[in-house]
Order: sequence, then C-alpha cells, then structure tokens
Amino acid sequence: DAGVTQSPTHLIKTRGQQVTLRCSPKSGHDTVSWYQQALGQGPQFIFQYYEEEERQRGNFPDRFSGHQFPNYSSELNVNALLLGDSALYLCASSLGRLSTNEKLFFGSGTQLSVL
Amino acid sequence: RKEVEQDPGPFNVPEGATVAFNCTYSNSASQSFFWYRQDCRKEPKLLMSVYSSGNEDGRFTAQLNRASQYISLLIRDSKLSDSATYLCVVLRGYGQNFVFGPGTRLSVLP
Repeated sequence: DAGVTQSPTHLIKTRGQQVTLRCSPKSGHDTVSWYQQALGQGPQFIFQYYEEEERQRGNFPDRFSGHQFPNYSSELNVNALLLGDSALYLCASSLGRLSTNEKLFFGSGTQLSVL
Repeated sequence: RKEVEQDPGPFNVPEGATVAFNCTYSNSASQSFFWYRQDCRKEPKLLMSVYSSGNEDGRFTAQLNRASQYISLLIRDSKLSDSATYLCVVLRGYGQNFVFGPGTRLSVLP
C-alpha cells in the first residue's frame, strides 16, 4: 500500500523564479492538501484539492496555485519566489467524502530553499 | 488570536517522567481532534485521535473537553524516543481543512 509520495525532496531556487512541487496521494485517497511549514512553526494550510477543484484555501497569495489530476495526484506551483517562501512543503492526503474517520497522512515533504 | 494554540515549550524532562501538553481551539464548530508527532525535519505522523470520552494508547492518554475547547495529551514513563514536536490538530468540519497548532517540543533527557 503506497503512502503519500512527494518530489523532489530538496530544491534550491533564486528569487523571482518559479517552482513546481508534485504529490501522489495514499492509495484510496482522493483529497490532497498542501501545507507550508517554516522552521520552528506548525504547518500552515495553503489549499486543498478535491475532484480536481480547489475546495478550500488558506491565507496565501495568488502566487501559490495548484492543480489536481484525474488520478488524484497534485501539483503546487509558486511563482515569483521570495526569500520568505523558503520552507518545508508538505502534501497530505485524506478521504474527501464525509466521514467521521477522516485523517491526514503526510508525504515526507519538499525542502525549498530560496536564495 | 490563532485558531489552535499550544503550550510554547520546549519541555525538557528526565526519562521516566510524566509530561502533559495542553491545546486550545477557538472554532466551536470543530469536529475532530488529533495529536500528531513530528521528528526533526520529518513529516508529521498521526499519534492518536482524541475523543470526548478520552482515549488511551499505551503510555499516551488524550482528553477532549468540548465545553472548554481544550485538548490534552499525557505521556507517562517518558522514553528518549518520545523526543519530538507534538502538534495539536483540529478538523474544522466535513469537507474542511485540518488546522495545526504551532507545536510543543519535547526533549526527554537520560
């Protein structure tokens, strides 16, 4: 049973560049959420994709965009990178249908460094 | 005020000690509650769900008080391997997102 997979594991970019991060959810899951975790802080919710649409969005600028594919995998795109975008980007999957047993499972993350 | 708040930490305790973490949440409509554990530079992993009746998993006990909007985690007989950051997590509602607290770091010392 494949867990949540993310790529790449590490990435170094310079200010102003664009980056794309990828995520495949846990087998059987249909919902993908993206989180940004700065050093020493808890994960901050960026957005959630369900049925190929953005269902929820956190307090992040439009430079952060995403996509979900028919196979439930997802991409996170960040344009015009800023130094403050340096963080661990976590992808989490869950079941989107109404469930009292809904839980989040995380990938190992992508460490993004913006120089 | 943040939606989920936790003890600021860090907690430094000797092996064998009992340690308790506290968490409060502000959204009274929140549906589900969890504790996640995060090791340094790794992804968060589910430690346990939290139920109103309280639940226990070995040395770990979690409690939820909906009236006070308060969640707790108790670790008994601390082990060196318990050293990690503990994240309090709240699910706002069906189809909503999970909200994480800032985490409380625990160091268990030999």
